[in-house]
Amino acid sequence: SFVLTQPPSLSVAPGQTARITCEMSGIGSKSVNWYQQKPGQAPVLVVYDDSDRPSGIPERFSGSNSGNTATLTVSRVEPGDEADYHCQVWGSATFPVVFGGGTKLTVL
Amino acid sequence: QVQLQESGPGLVKPSETLSLTCTVSVGPSGSYFWGWIRQPPGKGLEWIASIYYSGGSYYNPSLRSRVSISVDTSNKRVSLNLTSVTAADTAVYFCAEYGSGSFLEFWGRGMLVTVSS
Repeated sequence: SFVLTQPPSLSVAPGQTARITCEMSGIGSKSVNWYQQKPGQAPVLVVYDDSDRPSGIPERFSGSNSGNTATLTVSRVEPGDEADYHCQVWGSATFPVVFGGGTKLTVL
Repeated sequence: QVQLQESGPGLVKPSETLSLTCTVSVGPSGSYFWGWIRQPPGKGLEWIASIYYSGGSYYNPSLRSRVSISVDTSNKRVSLNLTSVTAADTAVYFCAEYGSGSFLEFWGRGMLVTVSS
């Protein structure tokens, strides 16, 4: 089965760099997508296919994926980046869509 | 720009069937592949099911016995039925459209469905 593990929370000061991890054995062979979700809102795609950004997403958001860990990096963190971040992969034909448990990013 | 709108009853009684509809306005980037995802209060995202324009579908194995997804291409609607609901099915239900790969590019605003007598 596919289980994506994320840290429940992460706190970062403004201007610093936040690195949010998503762990699964062999995740490096999968395409990983990341979503930002603010309270009361729908998720927003911020990184897809490991490291691509949709139009309108700041360059401060970047992604990487290798081995057993995928990482979403938010550089120069701003107060407006405070949100839950969810990773997601396409698992298999029998269980194609798998989400991580989500990480709450707090901007101190 | 693709837009999606969920609709249906916001309150369902235990043991009854939850029925939701997603109305899709398809822009030039529409992939014609949609999914339903839910989020219980204070919890993470859970994928429920996905369906292609052609009708081919995938289901979350843990919900498969209670879920059906369908598409009405003429009216651009994707429907979800979840039978025998319990309080554990209380959640915000989102519909979303896939991009050109495995990612969910466009999302509806979501709809809270409460299961209670």
